[in-house]
Amino acid sequence: EAGVTQSPTHLIKTRGQQATLRCSPISGHTSVYWYQQALGLGLQFLLWYDEGEERNRGNFPPRFSGRQFPNYSSELNVNALELEDSALYLCASSLTVNTEAFFGQGTRLTVV
Amino acid sequence: GQQVMQIPQYQHVQEGEDFTTYCNSSTTLSNIQWYKQRPGGHPVFLIQLVKSGEVKKQKRLTFQFGEAKKNSSLHITATQTTDVGTYFCASLIQGAQKLVFGQGTRLTINP
Repeated sequence: EAGVTQSPTHLIKTRGQQATLRCSPISGHTSVYWYQQALGLGLQFLLWYDEGEERNRGNFPPRFSGRQFPNYSSELNVNALELEDSALYLCASSLTVNTEAFFGQGTRLTVV
Repeated sequence: GQQVMQIPQYQHVQEGEDFTTYCNSSTTLSNIQWYKQRPGGHPVFLIQLVKSGEVKKQKRLTFQFGEAKKNSSLHITATQTTDVGTYFCASLIQGAQKLVFGQGTRLTINP
């Protein structure tokens, strides 16, 4: 069974540009979470999607947005990139809100 | 703000020594999950505790959930170099509708 897959694995963007990150959850999982992990730091909650709807978002500005598609895959969009947006962006999926989360390998975003 | 506090932030031990990381919250937790992230890797689920006072063991790892469901601990007995990594606790905060992670404890080991 395939795990959570994220693409691309690495992304280099210039300040001010937009970045789009993609995530495919484990088959059958309807919940998708996005986290930001700056170098050497913890996991900061970004967004939670379940059944195609945004259930909650973390303390990030509106230029961080996303969506979940009918097949439960998800996109994270970051507009007007800033240097401090450079981080590992992790996607996770779970079967239900109370079960364990399975993480993808992440997308390493570098803003120059 | 951070709703799940984890300490210590860093821990360096000699191989064979024990290691403990603690997770605390001011609010009641519906459950507590523990994850391990190896250097350069992604978090991997270890275990979930749900019941008040619950204790679970996985080989050299012992996980505890407090009686009030506001704290938890992960204890590793006789650490090995394969235990190196960052250990995170996480919980679905009641009423908050999000899976919140602690800051993590980075464990390094001197062989």
